[in-house]
Amino acid sequence: DTGVSQDPRHKITKRGQNVTFRCDPISEHNRLYWYRQTLGQGPEFLTYFQNEAQLEKSRLLSDRFSAERPKGSFSTLEIQRTEQGDSAMYLCASSPARVIGEQFFGPGTRLTVL
Amino acid sequence: DAKTTQPNSMESNEEEPVHLPCNHSTISGTDYIHWYRQLPSQGPEYVIHGLTSNVNNRMASLAIAEDRKSSTLILHRATLRDAAVYYCILRDFTGTASKLTFGTGTRLQVTL
Repeated sequence: DTGVSQDPRHKITKRGQNVTFRCDPISEHNRLYWYRQTLGQGPEFLTYFQNEAQLEKSRLLSDRFSAERPKGSFSTLEIQRTEQGDSAMYLCASSPARVIGEQFFGPGTRLTVL
Repeated sequence: DAKTTQPNSMESNEEEPVHLPCNHSTISGTDYIHWYRQLPSQGPEYVIHGLTSNVNNRMASLAIAEDRKSSTLILHRATLRDAAVYYCILRDFTGTASKLTFGTGTRLQVTL
């Protein structure tokens, strides 16, 4: 399967713990996006990379959140000191470097903070 | 990004056409109209996009009003697998970020 993959698919953690999610984009795509989706809402943009450069961050991305894409391939999203409000589906998408292009989404990582 | 307005939900019978409306009265001349859908327990999936002219692909058709203030996604023969949330999104093609700004979409139910 050559689509976007995310790991893990589900994560249950206790409040205050740190979690890290991984996204592997489609190999030739140099743009990578993270979104967050809560129940009943559409996905909300968190951050965007072009190659290894993080070019935009949403105000939703508090200082407890950090995202990296060190070699311009896979990306990680870390949440420190998780809170119950962080419970959501975290979606990764990738696209080629065209201004208007289709974004390909992964299946998401569902985070539950107890 | 300009705002879009969609009905919260719609129902259709299987094998009948479905017309999903979207209003975007504040659309600018540089906004493309994109549609994505999200099946249960999956990430969103691209459906179609257009600028001014109507567009067709293997999944759907997109009809764009002449003044571009509204558009309609047309599924020609709905199947049970088309039950999903459909999102209408405007994207400025002069921007550099190219992020998607989702609303709450239209939840389509398809029944036998």
